[in-house]
Amino acid sequence: ETAVFQTPNYHVTQVGNEVSFNCKQTLGHDTMYWYKQDSKKLLKIMFSYNNKQLIVNETVPRRFSPQSSDKAHLNLRIKSVEPEDSAVYLCASSSGTGGAEQYFGPGTRLTVL
Amino acid sequence: AQSVTQPDARVTVSEGASLQLRCKYSSSVTPYLFWYVQYPRQGLQLLLKYYSGDPVVQGVNGFEAEFSKSNSSFHLRKASVHWSDSAVYFCAVSITGYQNFYFGKGTSLTVIP
Repeated sequence: ETAVFQTPNYHVTQVGNEVSFNCKQTLGHDTMYWYKQDSKKLLKIMFSYNNKQLIVNETVPRRFSPQSSDKAHLNLRIKSVEPEDSAVYLCASSSGTGGAEQYFGPGTRLTVL
Repeated sequence: AQSVTQPDARVTVSEGASLQLRCKYSSSVTPYLFWYVQYPRQGLQLLLKYYSGDPVVQGVNGFEAEFSKSNSSFHLRKASVHWSDSAVYFCAVSITGYQNFYFGKGTSLTVIP
């Protein structure tokens, strides 16, 4: 049963455009994450966020930014997409305590032409 | 620093055969250990989790994993695979007090009917 929802499923856009992906969780968790998964299936954490703290992976380009309206939502905005941004973006949530498992959404596949 | 190594990028087995997917971790403290599975065009799903107790932990769909502190390993096993087990399997570690996961690079499993 899906409890982490992502929209859209797919998005195709041109270089330089701005895109925004949505993520919502209904698990009551207080921590959410964005991961980038490349074509080789490698997972790279981009952000983790709860209502107290945003942790940014220092390797993430500044054109990426998370946006949260409440603890159930964490959107991802890319200001000006580049070809290397083509990937699957996975949203996850957890209770935030050490060792808590993360629950993942189905992902948004971005293709940049 | 924590790290996870999955030495086998691809594994192919025949349906009905037994399976072992290897995972080795590096951590200065005892970590939480996880196995996730990712079916095509889906997000990651939790198979099982371990922190303490019986070193053999049971998961969903007949999967189990065995923790070995001496070998710093957490190998995944299944007695008899089905073609529907074809997927990418990820090993991950998490440390008490931290929120982030450290994922391995994944092992792509193909089950031949």
